[in-house]
Amino acid sequence: DIQMTQSPPTLSASVGDRVTITCRASQSISSWLAWYQQKPGKAPKVLIYKASTLESGVPSRFSGSGSGTEFTLTISSLQPDDFATYYCQQYKSYPWTFGQGTKVEIK
Amino acid sequence: QVQLVESGGAVVQPGRSLSLSCAASGFTSSSYSGHWVRQAPGKGLEWVAVISFSAGSGSEHYADSVKGRFTISTDISRNTLYLQMNSLRDEDTAVYYCASRRQCSGDTCYGLEYWGQGTLVTVSS
Repeated sequence: DIQMTQSPPTLSASVGDRVTITCRASQSISSWLAWYQQKPGKAPKVLIYKASTLESGVPSRFSGSGSGTEFTLTISSLQPDDFATYYCQQYKSYPWTFGQGTKVEIK
Repeated sequence: QVQLVESGGAVVQPGRSLSLSCAASGFTSSSYSGHWVRQAPGKGLEWVAVISFSAGSGSEHYADSVKGRFTISTDISRNTLYLQMNSLRDEDTAVYYCASRRQCSGDTCYGLEYWGQGTLVTVSS
């Protein structure tokens, strides 16, 4: 199975900050990576697929990059609505696997 | 308006069985695959299983943790996804989400686009 490792587990930031979350795959997954945002008590919401394609309706301050085994999610200017937990997920092969999550907290 | 609505969550004893349902509306399910993803209390997301709505039986895949115990199925006439869970264990306690992904198009495959609100399964004696 492909293991996904996210860092950091927790991130403290202020409104307006640029935030970067890293996700590493245990083997190459090409660009078959999605990023999700989850708020407490809610279902996840897809932000980015195919490593860098923004899902329809997602604000442009979110961006994704990377291929192979190293990926990043960047929020260019953190907004109050962005405080949440973020997950990466590979869909190169079954079983699909998620990273352990990165909680973005208010500093 | 796209909706996925799960049902069937309950408190169940270890070793027993439970069936979850997910009713889909607002999109053509035959162009999608149906997934179950779970989240144990206070933990991260764990992908559980997938089935193609159009292909049905034979297109299933499972996480190692549920293989041989859980069965995913679909009734395309009812636009409904199911998860039959047998031999339940304490560690199966989680909120179970159904989710869907549209079929890949050309060289593009998508993330899990639509999600239900989740249904809680508690395995406890």
